[in-house]
Amino acid sequence: DSGVTQTPKHLITATGQRVTLRCSPRSGDLSVYWYQQSLDQGLQFLIQYYNGEERAKGNILERFSAQQFPDLHSELNLSSLELGDSALYFCASSVGNYLAMENNEQFFGPGTRLTVL
Amino acid sequence: AQKITQTQPGMFVQEKEAVTLDCTYDTSDPSYGLFWYKQPSSGEMIFLIYQGSYDQQNATEGRYSLNFQKARKSANLVISASQLGDSAMYFCAMRGARTSYDKVIFGPGTSLSVIP
Repeated sequence: DSGVTQTPKHLITATGQRVTLRCSPRSGDLSVYWYQQSLDQGLQFLIQYYNGEERAKGNILERFSAQQFPDLHSELNLSSLELGDSALYFCASSVGNYLAMENNEQFFGPGTRLTVL
Repeated sequence: AQKITQTQPGMFVQEKEAVTLDCTYDTSDPSYGLFWYKQPSSGEMIFLIYQGSYDQQNATEGRYSLNFQKARKSANLVISASQLGDSAMYFCAMRGARTSYDKVIFGPGTSLSVIP
């Protein structure tokens, strides 16, 4: 158990709908990362938040948005869903002090498997 | 641009034998970190080992060791005494210090199957 929790574990929805994925980081971790893992794209970094502020952005679509709340949990919102959005969405957390490069590994949650029908 | 290459889509190894999973990377960052993660069929991502670009010695964690060759930009994972539970996808990942802060990029992964 990494200490990172994600809900829900599975989500099935229809095209055009909007969903929210939730992540609670490990106690003490300030950084939260979101990743999308699909068969054709592999593991893609979406976005990172550090202590409530957006820190880095990856291959995140405009239909997707995220935020990190004062209690450090994060939500990833996916809207106008398409079939191609079906994937495993991971949240990871780390201490997040980028000035301390060494061994700042990310701990992954169990993922949310999104199926868009 | 940063890039991670894992040239072995799939590998087989006999139980109790050692296996090396290849990883090469490309970055212009002067300082960076390299990670290996394991993803079993259950889906979770498990951190295995870390190597800093300025570390003088190769990292080791139990049965895992990292063969770091900075000049060749390679960071191969060595698993000694393979066990059936080692069957999984293995991802090499990199984080740079200057250009990408905490952004981590992952390679495409290598599927390892341990044969009894």
